[in-house]
Amino acid sequence: KAGVTQTPRYLIKTRGQQVTLSCSPISGHRSVSWYQQTPGQGLQFLFEYFSETQRNKGNFPGRFSGRQFSNSRSEMNVSTLELGDSALYLCASRQIGGTNEKLFFGSGTQLSVL
Amino acid sequence: KNQVEQSPQSLIILEGKNCTLQCNYTVSPFSNLRWYKQDTGRGPVSLTIMTFSENTKSNGRYTATLDADTKQSSLHITASQLSDSASYICVVSPLNYGGSQGNLIFGKGTKLSVKP
Repeated sequence: KAGVTQTPRYLIKTRGQQVTLSCSPISGHRSVSWYQQTPGQGLQFLFEYFSETQRNKGNFPGRFSGRQFSNSRSEMNVSTLELGDSALYLCASRQIGGTNEKLFFGSGTQLSVL
Repeated sequence: KNQVEQSPQSLIILEGKNCTLQCNYTVSPFSNLRWYKQDTGRGPVSLTIMTFSENTKSNGRYTATLDADTKQSSLHITASQLSDSASYICVVSPLNYGGSQGNLIFGKGTKLSVKP
């Protein structure tokens, strides 16, 4: 089975621009969650989608949004980029069922905002 | 407030040596505790998952232990290899987790460097 695929791997943007990141989960996984990782803060939860519906949202401004398609692929969008948005953005997928399900992470998109 | 604290923040060891990483948590009650390994520039990979009733779980040279009374977990790495150089992240799921990823509590990780 292919793992979680995130594109692009690297992205450089300037302040004020917007960006869209893509995530393809493992086949059969209907839950996709997104995380922001910075050196000082560790992983911060952005949101989780299941069956095209947002299940939960972290404490991030409205500039961060996401969606999930019928094939479980997900995108996240950041509008009006700020320097502080520079981070590694990780996507994870899992099968729903029980509380011990493993999260499978993609390799992430490294976003640099100049 | 639910928190997960990891120590040390960073650690340097020589190849072949053993090491132990610590995770203290205030999450209570909790459903399970997970250890992840994250190579630089990559996503985390699951090493172990333990429920509150388990004391130890092994995955090759990695052994995780859990003391639910003291709310401490440790990850022991035996006979370290250069490929063990990575960040190790402890993650705790509260019992009212409800299956939502937003309720997971992440530690900030321990950065391990294994030198030849």
